[in-house]
Amino acid sequence: GENVEQHPSTLSVQEGDSAVIKCTYSDSASNYFPWYKQELGKRPQLIIDIRSNVGEKKDQRIAVTLNKTAKHFSLHITETQPEDSAVYFCAASLNTGNQFYFGTGTSLTVIP
Amino acid sequence: GAVVSQHPSWVICKSGTSVKIECRSLDFQATTMFWYRQFPKQSLMLMATSNEGSKATYEQGVEKDKFLINHASLTLSTLTVTSAHPEDSSFYICSAPNSGTGDTIYFGEGSWLTVV
Repeated sequence: GENVEQHPSTLSVQEGDSAVIKCTYSDSASNYFPWYKQELGKRPQLIIDIRSNVGEKKDQRIAVTLNKTAKHFSLHITETQPEDSAVYFCAASLNTGNQFYFGTGTSLTVIP
Repeated sequence: GAVVSQHPSWVICKSGTSVKIECRSLDFQATTMFWYRQFPKQSLMLMATSNEGSKATYEQGVEKDKFLINHASLTLSTLTVTSAHPEDSSFYICSAPNSGTGDTIYFGEGSWLTVV
């Protein structure tokens, strides 16, 4: 089955700096890669996603890059704000409506 | 927007009893739903895929007799934790794709289970 690894597990940045979280996956058939933000005890919230036919996608301060050959994808958050502090999960899936295999999570802390 | 609702949000049960958690798609039909388990400060682990009208598909290592899944209708899937033990205490969360919005995945609010 799919195995998704995520690094780092914790990340602290100063407000205004950028944060980068990286994930690798094992199943070359995976072609949908969402990123979720989760606050303690709440449902994950989709923040951005990318499909395998795209190398990069950006939405305001958030961007995701995908290297399908190397089977890794990254989340980039620029101009970080304290409210960006949360746990972030990457995931890989065979398609948009399929089950997700989540990474291990990154606890991001933005220091004011 | 599409909503997936879980019930109960919190449940405490005694060791040895069974607990049922419901996952409902409120404004769309879901032939498939997914059940995840999350321990504190850990990732979401896929437990099983719930299929309407047929048996659930369990991930490797997940006991199907312990975690009973029933997809009774196009809007309801239930997860029953049988003979619960303290190590089953966890956050259980379901999700469902909405084919009407390009299979966008919607997560339920999650259910905290504490077995005492």
